[in-house]
Amino acid sequence: AQRVTQPEKLLSVFKGAPVELKCNYSYSGSPELFWYVQYSRQRLQLLLRHISRESIKGFTADLNKGETSFHLKKPFAQEEDSAMYYCALSRMASNYQLIWGAGTKLIIKP
Amino acid sequence: KAGVTQTPRYLIKTRGQQVTLSCSPISGHRSVSWYQQTPGQGLQFLFEYFSETQRNKGNFPGRFSGRQFSNSRSEMNVSTLELGDSALYLCASSLGQGANEQYFGPGTRLTVT
Repeated sequence: AQRVTQPEKLLSVFKGAPVELKCNYSYSGSPELFWYVQYSRQRLQLLLRHISRESIKGFTADLNKGETSFHLKKPFAQEEDSAMYYCALSRMASNYQLIWGAGTKLIIKP
Repeated sequence: KAGVTQTPRYLIKTRGQQVTLSCSPISGHRSVSWYQQTPGQGLQFLFEYFSETQRNKGNFPGRFSGRQFSNSRSEMNVSTLELGDSALYLCASSLGQGANEQYFGPGTRLTVT
């Protein structure tokens, strides 16, 4: 069965430290993966998707098919990065329905 | 473009009652998905509508239903409310073809007492 796993419910790091939010998936086909972010009192919004290979707000994520992972990374965390982060997989077999991870709450300490 | 709008923003209901939530997608978007968000369960997929047809469905009881109109606006209905239905209900719209970005509304905060 298709599944997205975010093993950390909560991640707390100091400002300026590197950040890595883990995402593992299980999917038999070619995955399309996304990271969505929800800042406090704001709407859930797309942060980045693997096919665009962009760096958004300093975050990058590389699809590792061998390890079935799509970890989100940022070399130097900023306080404004504190938010809830969700990893999601688009399931082509079901009209691209998104399968969501449980989310990781990232707290950046000053 | 105007973003996704949801009405009402807040709602308080009593157990056993029913409720209808509304979602207006971004103009041109034909897909509307509904989610339940709670602190304990995170984001749970309810269902997705595309061109007035339910295209995908999550694992929720039949008390949860929805529909989509010809202008792509969507409604979600919950009958016989239970305390556990208290949550933030989010809708998201997308173009609906392919793995497109979903644009989320602000949500409707439902409290069941």
